[in-house]
Amino acid sequence: EAQVTQNPRYLITVTGKKLTVTCSQNMNHEYMSWYRQDPGLGLRQIYYSMNVEVTDKGDVPEGYKVSRKEKRNFPLILESPSPNQTSLYFCASSLWPGQGKKGQLADNEQFFGPGTRLTVL
Amino acid sequence: AQKITQTQPGMFVQEKEAVTLDCTYDTSDQSYGLFWYKQPSSGEMIFLIYQGSYDEQNATEGRYSLNFQKARKSANLVISASQLGDSAMYFCAMRLSGGYQKVTFGTGTKLQVIP
Repeated sequence: EAQVTQNPRYLITVTGKKLTVTCSQNMNHEYMSWYRQDPGLGLRQIYYSMNVEVTDKGDVPEGYKVSRKEKRNFPLILESPSPNQTSLYFCASSLWPGQGKKGQLADNEQFFGPGTRLTVL
Repeated sequence: AQKITQTQPGMFVQEKEAVTLDCTYDTSDQSYGLFWYKQPSSGEMIFLIYQGSYDEQNATEGRYSLNFQKARKSANLVISASQLGDSAMYFCAMRLSGGYQKVTFGTGTKLQVIP
């Protein structure tokens, strides 16, 4: 089954304790991305990756790190979590223009993981 | 910088009626894609419909259609014959199609379908 998986699904932690949220996709997608969702703010992109070893900042990258050492995995790292990082986090993946059979942007619809609800105390 | 604006925080619609959810966008790029996603109370993100900036015809997917007015920079979602299962949050999003693949979402509209 084609899917994006995230772990853990729920996490309660304390300020300053480093954590990693894993994301993995089995669709051979080149593009992967992390979002956070907060009430009234919608989804905001944290980081995205267009290929292995290629990452770029989204709108809210402060306090987060990412790495893309393998095509299928795109972990999100919080080196020193703070309460303002309490949020619902989504990982997503999609094709890259030209990677799909039609090579059109429509094939670049993002497939989302189930979300990770993080609470930082 | 790109921006998506959804001005309706919440909406009600009677079952079987049509409803339009508004979305306006701002970008200086000529090539981009516009997407609508549905998020039910269970939390998952469900892709609904896509419109490319160069597409001349409005996109349709079953009961969903996208009213694309490029000059006005609007991409409204129209849901025909609303069903109770349509009650959810709806997000409009834009993705540039060049080398810079940043994605921007709106703040969402919460739709409630009344029996």
